[in-house]
Amino acid sequence: DIQMTQSPSSLSASVGDRVTMTCRASQSIRAYLNWYQQKPGKAPNLLIYAASSLQNGVPSRFGGSGSGTDFTLTISGLQPEDFATYYCQQSFSTPLTFGGGTKVEI
Amino acid sequence: QAQLRESGPGLVKPSETLSLTCTVSGASISSFYWSWIRQPPGKGLEWIGYIYNRGSPNYNPSLKSRVTISPDTSKNQFSLKVNSVTAADSAVYYCARLLTGATIHYFDLWGQGALVTVSS
Repeated sequence: DIQMTQSPSSLSASVGDRVTMTCRASQSIRAYLNWYQQKPGKAPNLLIYAASSLQNGVPSRFGGSGSGTDFTLTISGLQPEDFATYYCQQSFSTPLTFGGGTKVEI
Repeated sequence: QAQLRESGPGLVKPSETLSLTCTVSGASISSFYWSWIRQPPGKGLEWIGYIYNRGSPNYNPSLKSRVTISPDTSKNQFSLKVNSVTAADSAVYYCARLLTGATIHYFDLWGQGALVTVSS
């Protein structure tokens, strides 16, 4: 199985901040990396697919980069509605696996 | 816009079978990959498996011996069964659509989730 490790597990930020979080795969997954946002009591919501492609309807302040084993999700100008937990997920091979999440808190 | 909705018992006794159904509207289950994912309370996400049309399902090896995912094209639904459940199977269970292509595979649509508790 491909292990996905996210860091940090949580971070504190303020509205307007630029926030960066990382996801590392245990082996190369090329660009088969997706990012999801999850708010309490809700299903995850796709933000970024194929490492850097913005899902339709997702604000442009979200950006993804990376390939191989190291990936980054950046939020440029944190908004109040962005306080949530973010998960990365690899789709290079089955079993599909998720990272442990990064919780963005005030 | 397609929508997914999970349904099924919220309480299952240990050693019994957990059964959930995902009803899909706005898309045909014959045309996409469909998946189940679960999330224990306060924890991360675990992929359970997926099906595509009438092809062979693909299961997470960690659950493969206890899991069955099957389609019902007449009702545009697909189901999940987990046998011999324990407290460790208590989780919110999500159904989701897996979009696939030459270089893309991602979950683009999710149900709202169904909380299942395993307890006597």
